[in-house]
Amino acid sequence: SQQGEEDPQALSIQEGENATMNCSYKTSINNLQWYRQNSGRGLVHLILIRSNEREKHSGRLRVTLDTSKKSSSLLITASRAADTASYFCASMDSNYQLIWGAGTKLIIKP
Amino acid sequence: KAGVTQTPRYLIKTRGQQVTLSCSPISGHRSVSWYQQTPGQGLQFLFEYFSETQRNKGNFPGRFSGRQFSNSRSEMNVSTLELGDSALYLCASSFLAGGQETQYFGPGTRLLVL
Repeated sequence: SQQGEEDPQALSIQEGENATMNCSYKTSINNLQWYRQNSGRGLVHLILIRSNEREKHSGRLRVTLDTSKKSSSLLITASRAADTASYFCASMDSNYQLIWGAGTKLIIKP
Repeated sequence: KAGVTQTPRYLIKTRGQQVTLSCSPISGHRSVSWYQQTPGQGLQFLFEYFSETQRNKGNFPGRFSGRQFSNSRSEMNVSTLELGDSALYLCASSFLAGGQETQYFGPGTRLLVL
């Protein structure tokens, strides 16, 4: 399969809690990107982390990258109802092709 | 700057027909990628065009084809439609080729094959 893997497949947490999603990939990469998809709003880019970076922050988002384990994690702190969405990781391989994960469906309960 | 636009937004076709979907990238972007999204298979890469040339192609049958025009607008064609082609078709644009930078996605075309 071309796909990377994400876990969990689904995550349900209370508003205000932190949410962590993980992504694993198979080949060496140049960068890894995280996207969010709300129903009816399409895919939106969240953050890009390059292979020589280990951690990156953007607002309430924190992404880590461990190239030795071929894995990345996305942490959303102080979750809000508006964070309810599906989250996808996409890794850029040496052929400059993005390999997508199957996604994590995040539900924030009020 | 206007975002990525896709037309039509919704489409209903019957088996055996063909369909053409259109994507207009963000002004100045030269790369357009197409994806098929279904509940069971997730996001599947179809192909990428950069400066009118196909750079990469996913594992889809030859019924799926595309092209890019000199103004970077791209079209995707599916011939001899099958029920399994029902999906959301997304296009994404970027200035650089491949996944070197942020991909900007359009809202998608939802295709239903009956």
